[in-house]
Amino acid sequence: AQTVTQSQPEMSVQEAETVTLSCTYDTSESDYYLFWYKQPPSRQMILVIRQEAYKQQNATENRFSVNFQKAAKSFSLKISDSQLGDAAMYFCAYRNIQGAQKLVFGQGTRLTINP
Amino acid sequence: DAGVTQSPTHLIKTRGQQVTLRCSPKSGHDTVSWYQQALGQGPQFIFQYYEEEERQRGNFPDRFSGHQFPNYSSELNVNALLLGDSALYLCASSLNRQGRPFFGPGTRLTVL
Repeated sequence: AQTVTQSQPEMSVQEAETVTLSCTYDTSESDYYLFWYKQPPSRQMILVIRQEAYKQQNATENRFSVNFQKAAKSFSLKISDSQLGDAAMYFCAYRNIQGAQKLVFGQGTRLTINP
Repeated sequence: DAGVTQSPTHLIKTRGQQVTLRCSPKSGHDTVSWYQQALGQGPQFIFQYYEEEERQRGNFPDRFSGHQFPNYSSELNVNALLLGDSALYLCASSLNRQGRPFFGPGTRLTVL
């Protein structure tokens, strides 16, 4: 069974600075998807960024980018120019390419932005 | 275009009771998955419905059951509620089983 581990329960960063959230995972599959989701106090789970394992290029979405290390099974999220609206719980998630849509989530990292 | 909607927003029940939570998928989506998110934890997959059938199930007891209607909306039923069933229940819909999931705002269930 696949597992996802986020070793940082809480992180904080000054507004406008850069922060990196860590995620490791375990799978025997060679092709899969990895995701970062943001969950603000409103509880809505919002997709931040997605990475296909068969793509070597790291995904980027505006201020958000990932460092995908397939051999190390590591998938970190970098947030540049942090904004107050980035404060939320961040979840790393895994999904097989074959089969159903089941997402396997990590335990989450609470990100605080200091003004 | 309405996104994924869930009802009710909050619910309080007592141990032993039964509860039904509802989910309407995003327009055009035909697949619905349910997740349980305990306080301070990541969501855990309960099951997925596609073509009105349960297609995949996570590690949850038979007290958790569901249904999908012809209009693709879905219900999650939990019988014989336990204190440990208190959680945020999230619904996610997608276009087919491999599509990108879109989440609803969740239903907060409290069992007293």
